[in-house]
Amino acid sequence: GESVGLHLPTLSVQEGDNSIINCAYSNSASDYFIWYKQESGKGPQFIIDIRSNMDKRQGQRVTVLLNKTVKHLSLQIAATQPGDSAVYFCAETRRNAGNMLTFGGGTRLMVKP
Amino acid sequence: DAGVIQSPRHEVTEMGQEVTLRCKPISGHDYLFWYRQTMMRGLELLIYFNNNVPIDDSGMPEDRFSAKMPNASFSTLKIQPSEPRDSAVYFCASRPVRDTQYFGPGTRLTVL
Repeated sequence: GESVGLHLPTLSVQEGDNSIINCAYSNSASDYFIWYKQESGKGPQFIIDIRSNMDKRQGQRVTVLLNKTVKHLSLQIAATQPGDSAVYFCAETRRNAGNMLTFGGGTRLMVKP
Repeated sequence: DAGVIQSPRHEVTEMGQEVTLRCKPISGHDYLFWYRQTMMRGLELLIYFNNNVPIDDSGMPEDRFSAKMPNASFSTLKIQPSEPRDSAVYFCASRPVRDTQYFGPGTRLTVL
């Protein structure tokens, strides 16, 4: 069925290294994607978004890449820091889905000092 | 802006009791969403409002759940009667006309 999912449930990286978190979606009508970060005991926090008319978008230390051909989304974090340790969710919405976001299952990022 | 405000942050109650969760969205946001998060099911959308009007409540589990938005700055999610399987973290989120949703800190509900 239509869904948004993540390939890796847990990612462990060394402090200072770059992190890449992946997400797949199955509906070609998806036109807006968001990455959220959720720290323990807190609500999801918006990180970065991208629309389907773009392939890449950069923020501060984060980059989101969108490959519409294979329906794949990734979040790259440069120079990963201990404060980046959290669960990361991708979410998508579609033109015919009103205002509802569909969330992936989440990837836990663990940063080793 | 203080962001989305939810209360209480933690709620422990006994099965059969009524539970009311509260949310104050970010001022000026036209949309308000209620989500439930569990380990088993992840983040699930329960209901959302546009300009205080419920638009889609297809995610509400059953008639024990109800949500209201009497004005632009306040919404409630009520569970009556509560059951142990309702134990979860409940999030409220709001957004302006654009698509990005901003989440509150959540209410951790435990039903004994």
